[in-house]
Amino acid sequence: DSGVTQTPKHLITATGQRVTLRCSPRSGDLSVYWYQQSLDQGLQFLIHYYNGEERAKGNILERFSAQQFPDLHSELNLSSLELGDSALYFCASSAQGGGSSGSTIYFGEGSWLTVV
Amino acid sequence: AQSVAQPEDQVNVAEGNPLTVKCTYSVSGNPYLFWYVQYPNRGLQFLLKYITGDNLVKGSYGFEAEFNKSQTSFHLKKPSALVSDSALYFCAVRESGNTGKLIFGQGTTLQVKP
Repeated sequence: DSGVTQTPKHLITATGQRVTLRCSPRSGDLSVYWYQQSLDQGLQFLIHYYNGEERAKGNILERFSAQQFPDLHSELNLSSLELGDSALYFCASSAQGGGSSGSTIYFGEGSWLTVV
Repeated sequence: AQSVAQPEDQVNVAEGNPLTVKCTYSVSGNPYLFWYVQYPNRGLQFLLKYITGDNLVKGSYGFEAEFNKSQTSFHLKKPSALVSDSALYFCAVRESGNTGKLIFGQGTTLQVKP
């Protein structure tokens, strides 16, 4: 158990709908990262938050948004869903957020999203 | 730009034999390198990392990795493979700068046959 908790584990929804994925980082970790894993794209970085502030954006669609709350949990919002958004979405956390940090980034079990 | 390459999509090895999963990297400055494993329908599990120091890093489940600066490689190794080691393995480098996000290779499927 990595200590990173993601809910829901599985989600099936229709095109055009909106879903929210939730992540609780490891106790004490200030950084939260979101990744998308699909068969054809591999592991793609979406967004990084550190202590409530957005640090970096990757290949995140405009239909997607995220935030990190004062209690450090994070939510990834996916709207106007398309079939191609079906993927495994990972949340990860680490104690620190900089590139000079050797702290390990731990991943949750992921949220499986299927858009039908 | 920093990048990681895993040249093999799949590695096949017999149980009891040594295994190697290859990874090469391209970074500016000192690399922070990681290996993760993903079992079917599971999340990414941290195996080991290289930050500094000894070039041979030991990790979970009997895995180790050798950092080679001159060859810009960080190959994952295990002296004796188990069928239960069959999984998808990812090498990653931590990006320098403000975010420190992980940049992943495309993954290598390890198949250990009895």
